Amino acid sequence: AQSVAQPEDQVNVAEGNPLTVKCTYSVSGNPYLFWYVQYPNRGLQFLLKYITGDNLVKGSYGFEAEFNKSQTSFHLKKPSALVSDSALYFCAVTFGRGYQKVTFGTGTKLQVIP
Amino acid sequence: GAGVSQSPSNKVTEKGKDVELRCDPISGHTALYWYRQRLGQGLEFLIYFQGNSAPDKSGLPSDRFSAERTGESVSTLTIQRTQQEDSAVYLCASSLVSRGDGYTFGSGTRLTVV
Repeated sequence: AQSVAQPEDQVNVAEGNPLTVKCTYSVSGNPYLFWYVQYPNRGLQFLLKYITGDNLVKGSYGFEAEFNKSQTSFHLKKPSALVSDSALYFCAVTFGRGYQKVTFGTGTKLQVIP
Repeated sequence: GAGVSQSPSNKVTEKGKDVELRCDPISGHTALYWYRQRLGQGLEFLIYFQGNSAPDKSGLPSDRFSAERTGESVSTLTIQRTQQEDSAVYLCASSLVSRGDGYTFGSGTRLTVV
């Protein structure tokens, strides 16, 4: 079985400070990892993914995430937070080739304080 | 179309009535997914379509829930004899292939059962 955990329901960060949103996963094979963002009253938007290759993945809006196999983590990061980054962030995992169901975390609300 | 379109955006129904939720995926996307998001919770997988067929229906919570897809296009999620616990946002997503490519989500249908 696969699972993903987002240990923080909410993260508060001051505008201009670096931000980290945590995610850990559990799969029985090589993971495919994703981050999605949900702005208020809008659908989820794909931010970035890790399939293979460099452990540091860069995505939309200046976000990046680091795959750490030994710690089974895929934390989302941004060097300098913007108020407009305030949203709900979801980590997701699947594995292997062909179809495998994507499992989403419970989400982390990011609040960037002006 | 340019994005994944879901209708209606909001639906209020009386307990015991049937409802149909519609999803128009991005043209050419062979894979289509339905998820449910209850208030304050993560995404709950319901069903996956590859073309016309549904190789994974494991997330449908009961036999009151069913879904179909016409070709590689429109999908309809039907909930019969709605219950209050069915109240949630129902999200549809599509992707080019089912192998972990990023999903494109619709804005969802907010279902309220009163």
